[in-house]
Amino acid sequence: DAKTTQPNSMESNEEEPVHLPCNHSTISGTDYIHWYRQLPSQGPEYVIHGLTSNVNNRMASLAIAEDRKSSTLILHRATLRDAAVYYCILLSSNTGKLIFGQGTTLQVKP
Amino acid sequence: NAGVTQTPKFQVLKTGQSMTLQCAQDMNHNSMYWYRQDPGMGLRLIYYSASEGTTDKGEVPNGYNVSRLNKREFSLRLESAAPSQTSVYFCASSIQGFKSNQPQHFGDGTRLSIL
Repeated sequence: DAKTTQPNSMESNEEEPVHLPCNHSTISGTDYIHWYRQLPSQGPEYVIHGLTSNVNNRMASLAIAEDRKSSTLILHRATLRDAAVYYCILLSSNTGKLIFGQGTTLQVKP
Repeated sequence: NAGVTQTPKFQVLKTGQSMTLQCAQDMNHNSMYWYRQDPGMGLRLIYYSASEGTTDKGEVPNGYNVSRLNKREFSLRLESAAPSQTSVYFCASSIQGFKSNQPQHFGDGTRLSIL
């Protein structure tokens, strides 16, 4: 299974945009890029996913590089409730299994 | 709209005891999963059920058994608990198993301590 690399931690100020990077240089052509987040003492929560094109939903935007070797999760206006561990995951079309790495711990300062 | 419900939320066991973690989903999903999460680590897949009547091993199945009781319910059993199984256990479900564009929905977890 292809792996992802994320920074261990990031900080942001409240109401500012946040760009969370993810590298996945060994991604295959049929792997989807999924993002989940986990708030303290809760289960993971689906955020967004994409294949090749940029994606937007009510929670976030996903920007995918043209060569698909990296992607960026964008939170347009961070709130204190966005403080969580964010996981970038490649989902194989063959197995469909989510493989969670260490993720990025996002701190949001008031 | 409950989603994925796990019981119990907390449990303390002694080494060698057995117990069953329960999971139920009300979203009419076909696939269900059990993960464990240890401190400072991401989630690891224990077992999954792609559809009712089927179960398969994940990344760390040793010491566990599962039962897909019906479409709604997927239980995880520890036959003889060991301290290494102290963890937070998450159940998840998805519409169709192993379709790469389908998100998984998670419960809030069962925090299990084995003394």
